[in-house]
Amino acid sequence: GDSVTQMEGPVTLSEEAFLTINCTYTATGYPSLFWYVQYPGEGLQLLLKATKADDKGSNKGFEATYRKETTSFHLEKGSVQVSDSAVYFCALTRASGGYQKVTFGIGTKLQVIP
Amino acid sequence: DAGVIQSPRHEVTEMGQEVTLRCKPISGHDYLFWYRQTMMRGLELLIYFNNNVPIDDSGMPEDRFSAKMPNASFSTLKIQPSEPRDSAVYFCASSDRDSGANVLTFGAGSRLTVL
Repeated sequence: GDSVTQMEGPVTLSEEAFLTINCTYTATGYPSLFWYVQYPGEGLQLLLKATKADDKGSNKGFEATYRKETTSFHLEKGSVQVSDSAVYFCALTRASGGYQKVTFGIGTKLQVIP
Repeated sequence: DAGVIQSPRHEVTEMGQEVTLRCKPISGHDYLFWYRQTMMRGLELLIYFNNNVPIDDSGMPEDRFSAKMPNASFSTLKIQPSEPRDSAVYFCASSDRDSGANVLTFGAGSRLTVL
């Protein structure tokens, strides 16, 4: 079945450091890939997405490129801020019976310290 | 739109009591999902509806859990009787398939503690 593997957290970085959170996936066909972010006490919200190979999703300084050859969708940001502290979820969707089934990774907690 | 609205935000109850969680999806969204989040298991899909009809409830843990969607603007998740292992954050999410890749919009969640 479909699966998403992301690095275990927590990840602790100093402000302005470079961020990479790794994500790899297993799925048949051509899934769409997502990063969701969950701030403390809130629900998940979409951060960025990519729907086909070599697409780059970007938002709020975060980027991720859909790499079909390595089945990866790593999240990067050049300079993190304290306000980026949150849990980040990698996810994929694939059509299944007329519905796009969503598979989430376990989430990676990011803590940015001043 | 105010987004996906869930209530209550926090619920503390005693083992054996009935718990009802409520959700109002985004107007016009035709898919509604109930998820459970715990430290041990992460995010688990419990059930989802399409046009108010339950499509897949294979994630519902056991018969103590039930979900309904009587109309397009309201859904409930009920646990009866509740047990301490049901303690978790329960999220409702909705989606519009016309958005392309089925982007989910989540509510803020209902944190359930069963003593």
